[in-house]
Amino acid sequence: QKEVEQNSGPLSVPEGAIASLNCTYSDRGSQSFFWYRQYSGKSPELIMFIYSNGDKEDGRFTAQLNKASQYVSLLIRDSQPSDSATYLCAVGRGKLIFGQGTELSVKP
Amino acid sequence: GAGVSQSPSNKVTEKGKDVELRCDPISGHTALYWYRQRLGQGLEFLIYFQGNSAPDKSGLPSDRFSAERTGESVSTLTIQRTQQEDSAVYLCASSAWTSGSMREQFFGPGTRLTVL
Repeated sequence: QKEVEQNSGPLSVPEGAIASLNCTYSDRGSQSFFWYRQYSGKSPELIMFIYSNGDKEDGRFTAQLNKASQYVSLLIRDSQPSDSATYLCAVGRGKLIFGQGTELSVKP
Repeated sequence: GAGVSQSPSNKVTEKGKDVELRCDPISGHTALYWYRQRLGQGLEFLIYFQGNSAPDKSGLPSDRFSAERTGESVSTLTIQRTQQEDSAVYLCASSAWTSGSMREQFFGPGTRLTVL
């Protein structure tokens, strides 16, 4: 089992829809959970972080963490074509372990 | 500085040469991280520093790879006797630590290394 697994893509949603990205992790001691967005040829850009169980909302983005289920997700509401990118889930307590990423495509 | 900076942005070298990559973290960030990303692949952890010390260097792929950090600032990643499989983007990130926990990691623009 990979340490951090993301749902395989690519994920395609129409403009204005909700995009749902999922991630599971194996280390129960993980303390920090991040979602990064990476455009092709660019470095990862932090878009959400969450440290406690529950939901955290920031604009169109909502991160959800369930430590008992070892699950973290990212919802993007009102998806825009500019949201098209690869989304990386990262989990850790010192170093970060990254998932392989989910490619999101938002169609106009 | 305002963000994490890395130099050079691009490096082309011949197989067998040594290369040195530099990372300048965000001012005040005590932790610094190195990752590698091969083309079309995910990010691989290499090493991280807390201050000057490296609590976890488990990701360094071989003894050809080494890293050091002076003070709580600049870090250099050195790859000796480069091989073609070392070709990748090398990413540096930094973060603050509060209450014994890592906070958000912010990435630099990366160094694209090509070994011919």
